[in-house]
Amino acid sequence: QVQLVQSGAEVKKPGASVTVSCKASGYNFTIYGISWVRQAPGQGLEWMGWINPYNGNTKYAQKIEGRVTMTTDTSTGTAYMELRSLRTDDTAVFFCARDEWGTMAQGVMGWYDPWGQGTLVTVSS
Amino acid sequence: DIQMTQSPSSLSASVGDRVTITCRASQSISSHLNWYLQKPGKAPKLLIYAASSLQSGVPSRFSGSGSGTDFTLTISSLQPEDFATYYCQQSYSTPMYTFGQGTKLEI
Repeated sequence: QVQLVQSGAEVKKPGASVTVSCKASGYNFTIYGISWVRQAPGQGLEWMGWINPYNGNTKYAQKIEGRVTMTTDTSTGTAYMELRSLRTDDTAVFFCARDEWGTMAQGVMGWYDPWGQGTLVTVSS
Repeated sequence: DIQMTQSPSSLSASVGDRVTITCRASQSISSHLNWYLQKPGKAPKLLIYAASSLQSGVPSRFSGSGSGTDFTLTISSLQPEDFATYYCQQSYSTPMYTFGQGTKLEI
């Protein structure tokens, strides 16, 4: 079945970097984009960015642009999200999600399905 | 950026109740609206896509409606497993699919 499996929890000090991986299986990895979403403790869902595995095109949230890099390895079907210069307020669960899409009466529509299980990144001195 | 506003932010209800959650977009998004359910410690799960299409495997007590700027998610008869947080998401502004702030449904 289609699934995304993420790497395990991380603990980092302020100023460090973290890389979270997201391994896809059950579908052609290059057909669908991968988005990253984070959720701070007790907070809502925040879109971080997107990557097209076919050509490597990316789009990042303005809030973190300059600190984030998203990449993919098509040979293994894995997406990566690197966040640098970590701050304590970067503590969050990070999710990857597949950009599913379909052609419907209203046109081409998009949604996220499935999601990875989430990776907790704790930034603390 | 398109802003998504959900109401209410929290809601108390009982098993068997009919519940409606609303989501408003800051500009017209046609039918590019999705709904997710999230339980504590879990990833969000897709319920409704394209405003009114029920995701495979999702119970028929869930339904979505609306277009343009105003959307609703309705649960016709609440079940114990439905108590969770619900998020709307716009998928009009590709690929920046932003979320509402969430609605926590409590007993």
